[in-house]
Amino acid sequence: EVQLVESGGGLVQPGRSLKLSCLASGFTFSNYGMNWIRQAPGKGLEWVASISSSSSYIYYADTVKGRFTISRDNAKNTLYLQMTSLRSEDTALYYCARMYTTDYFYVMDAWGQGASVTVSS
Amino acid sequence: DTVLTQSPALAVSPGERVTISCRASESVSTLMHWYQQKPGQQPTLLIYLASNLESGVPARFSGSGSGTDFTLTIDPVEADDTATYYCQQSWNDPPTFGGGTKLELK
Repeated sequence: EVQLVESGGGLVQPGRSLKLSCLASGFTFSNYGMNWIRQAPGKGLEWVASISSSSSYIYYADTVKGRFTISRDNAKNTLYLQMTSLRSEDTALYYCARMYTTDYFYVMDAWGQGASVTVSS
Repeated sequence: DTVLTQSPALAVSPGERVTISCRASESVSTLMHWYQQKPGQQPTLLIYLASNLESGVPARFSGSGSGTDFTLTIDPVEADDTATYYCQQSWNDPPTFGGGTKLELK
C-alpha cells in the first residue's frame, strides 16, 4: 500500500523557517517525481513545488520561489520542503503527492494526510 | 497561468445524476484530471486524462471533455459522494487547480 506521511508542521512566527518531511513507503520512491501542494484553511488546492525522481528537475510556484526549497533523499525515501521567510499567507495544510509520469503527461496519484503550518506572531 | 473555473456548489438527491463542470482559460488538450476530497481528508485521484477512471474508483464516476470544457459525472450519486471535487490541468505550466465544487446530498 502506498503511504505518504508528512511531518514537521507547526506554529512559526513570520520571517522564520520550517522544514517539512514526507516519508514514503509501499512503492519504489526513487522511480517517482514528487510534489508539494498546499491548501489554505477553507480554500482550494495550490501547487507549490515539484522535483523529478533524480532531483534533476525542480520547479516552484512564483509565490514561493526564492523562499522554499524542495529536495529529496532517495536512500531515506523522504521528500523535504525547506521553507524560509515565512509569511502569514503561507499558512496552510501542506500535502506531499506522488507524481505518476509518462512521456505524455503527469498526474498526482497518491497524497499524504498533510502537515499543518501556521504562520503567526 | 491557466485558470480553471468551477461552480462553487451543487446539491442533489441520492440516486440522481450530477454533472460537475470545469472550464479552462486556455486549451489544455485532454490533460485534465479530477480529484475528490472528502471532509477532513486528503484529495484522491478519480479521473485522469479527462476520461480515464483511476483504479479502484467506482464506475459511477466518469469524465469527458477536451480543449477548454470538461465534465465530471456521477450517476447515480450516493451519500458517500459528499465531497469537494477539484479539476486540475497539467498541459500548461504551472499545474493549476480549479476552485472546487462542493457536492452536498439532499
